[in-house]
Amino acid sequence: EAQVTQNPRYLITVTGKKLTVTCSQNMNHEYMSWYRQDPGLGLRQIYYSMNVEVTDKGDVPEGYKVSRKEKRNFPLILESPSPNQTSLYFCASSYNRDGGIGYTFGSGTRLTVV
Amino acid sequence: QKEVEQDPGPLSVPEGAIVSLNCTYSNSAFQYFMWYRQYSRKGPELLMYTYSSGNKEDGRFTAQVDKSSKYISLFIRDSQPSDSATYLCAPPITGGYNKLIFGAGTRLAVHP
Repeated sequence: EAQVTQNPRYLITVTGKKLTVTCSQNMNHEYMSWYRQDPGLGLRQIYYSMNVEVTDKGDVPEGYKVSRKEKRNFPLILESPSPNQTSLYFCASSYNRDGGIGYTFGSGTRLTVV
Repeated sequence: QKEVEQDPGPLSVPEGAIVSLNCTYSNSAFQYFMWYRQYSRKGPELLMYTYSSGNKEDGRFTAQVDKSSKYISLFIRDSQPSDSATYLCAPPITGGYNKLIFGAGTRLAVHP
């Protein structure tokens, strides 16, 4: 089954404790993105990647890092999480460079930073 | 002004009703338009997309775009309880940024 898998689904952590949210896709897609979803604001892009070792900032990259060492994996790293990073996070992959039509989203990671 | 705006709802309708979900946008550069459906505790999934002004029909769903007024609509005929979800309109940014500009979404509840 074609899918994007995120882990963990739920995470509660304390301010400043580094964490990584993993994302893996099995569709051989070149393009991957991370979004965060907040009430009233919709989904906003954090980072995106066009291929292995090629990444760029989205609209809200502050406080986040990403890496793309393999085509299938695109982890999101929070080096020093803060409460304003409490949110619902989605990873997405696509074959289309503009996203959209070919986007497949993961099921989400709900992060709470206390 | 947000680039994409939606009424957050919630919109509550009886089963079988015709539902109209609306979205306005401000960026004339948007070339095509998506509607995504998001069930509770799930990621968004693509419902429909359309490239140009006019209507596009897919089963019980019709997407309508009016580029002159920057207005997008999604109509659901014979609504079902399984249609209860949040509906997001999302035009993509062209140019290789792999990015959609999402509205905040409209929450729909269809009750039996």
